[in-house]
Amino acid sequence: TQLLEQSPQFLSIQEGENLTVYCNSSSVFSSLQWYRQEPGEGPVLLVTVVTGGEVKKLKRLTFQFGDARKDSSLHITAAQPGDTGLYLCAGAGGSSNTGKLIFGQGTTLQVKP
Amino acid sequence: GAGVSQSPRYKVAKRGQDVALRCDPISGHVSLFWYQQALGQGPEFLTYFQNEAQLDKSGLPSDRFFAERPEGSVSTLKIQRTQQEDSAVYLCASSLDRTSNYGYTFGSGTRLTVV
Repeated sequence: TQLLEQSPQFLSIQEGENLTVYCNSSSVFSSLQWYRQEPGEGPVLLVTVVTGGEVKKLKRLTFQFGDARKDSSLHITAAQPGDTGLYLCAGAGGSSNTGKLIFGQGTTLQVKP
Repeated sequence: GAGVSQSPRYKVAKRGQDVALRCDPISGHVSLFWYQQALGQGPEFLTYFQNEAQLDKSGLPSDRFFAERPEGSVSTLKIQRTQQEDSAVYLCASSLDRTSNYGYTFGSGTRLTVV
């Protein structure tokens, strides 16, 4: 069974602080995606990383895919209240290449003004 | 349409009642997925369609759950004889091609509460 472990599960920080969310697995994925979800809405795709070692930046968010394509991290610089939400990592491919995504359990981020 | 549309947004069902949840994917999207999400948790895979073919239903929790996509566009997830443990948000997602390497577009979900 493929599993993605996210940590931490909950994070409450002050505006302006930096944070990192980790997503780890023992399985290799063909790509890894990060989503952000707000209450009452579906997850919204932030980024897809495909190549081992790849780093992508989206404004104050930096995403990295591990060299072995088993883990990923999301770093937010100078967090703002608008960053509050549930962050989800999801792996594609791996042992079953049906297009199914395996999601981590999520990281709930609260940024206080 | 511009996005994935799900209806109803909210459904309250009495235990034992049958429910049907609808998903309208983005026009032309080949792949359609159903996920179940508990509060504050990541979505869990239920089933996957490629056009009208249901290629993977390994995540359906019991034979009370049934999904179809007869014409390769709109999909319906049906739950028979609902139980309290079925209470969750049911998310539908679609993607343009056969892989998910470039991400899904999710609907806003249907929140099912079984009382």
